[in-house]
Amino acid sequence: NAGVTQTPKFRILKIGQSMTLQCTQDMNHNYMYWYRQDPGMGLKLIYYSVGAGITDKGEVPNGYNVSRSTTEDFPLRLELAAPSQTSVYFCASSTGKGAYEQYFGPGTRLTVT
Amino acid sequence: QKEVEQNSGPLSVPEGAIASLNCTYSDRGSQSFFWYRQYSGKSPELIMFIYSNGDKEDGRFTAQLNKASQYVSLLIRDSQPSDSATYLCAAYNFNKFYFGSGTKLNVKP
Repeated sequence: NAGVTQTPKFRILKIGQSMTLQCTQDMNHNYMYWYRQDPGMGLKLIYYSVGAGITDKGEVPNGYNVSRSTTEDFPLRLELAAPSQTSVYFCASSTGKGAYEQYFGPGTRLTVT
Repeated sequence: QKEVEQNSGPLSVPEGAIASLNCTYSDRGSQSFFWYRQYSGKSPELIMFIYSNGDKEDGRFTAQLNKASQYVSLLIRDSQPSDSATYLCAAYNFNKFYFGSGTKLNVKP
């Protein structure tokens, strides 16, 4: 049981490039989330999903897109990368019931130059 | 805009003392509240959650919620150097979590 895995761990992008951050969970959780964390700040919700085929915007969705074709996978797409997207990105999952505990992946550190 | 506010710290306490971390939230519709610990360079890990007014204890940790004052706190008794980390407060409302910017705690041996 690996929990929540994210790839890559680190990435440097040039301005205008695109990339997909991968997130997979093996806990059969319906709810999945993408956050970004800027230095010295808390987490900001980018997008979330309550099940396969269902996604919705969080606080800071501009510049990102998501899809959820399976329960396990929730990729985050960055189109036309900008320096403002330099951040650490965390994926999380939860059952969505009871305590709503979120299980976080290890994060992806992205730098856009 | 739904906001969660925390003092950024650092909060320094000697080993064995009680550390008190505070958090306020703006959205009265928030349904439950969470405290996460985050070590530098690591992902957040859940310490406690609370959704009813009053106190909730788990080992050395006590969470307190006052919905009338829109205030959440975390007490850490017998603080240990291993408790040194950033503590994130989060409020949950309709599928979304709103995080504060965190309080950095230093426990001095």
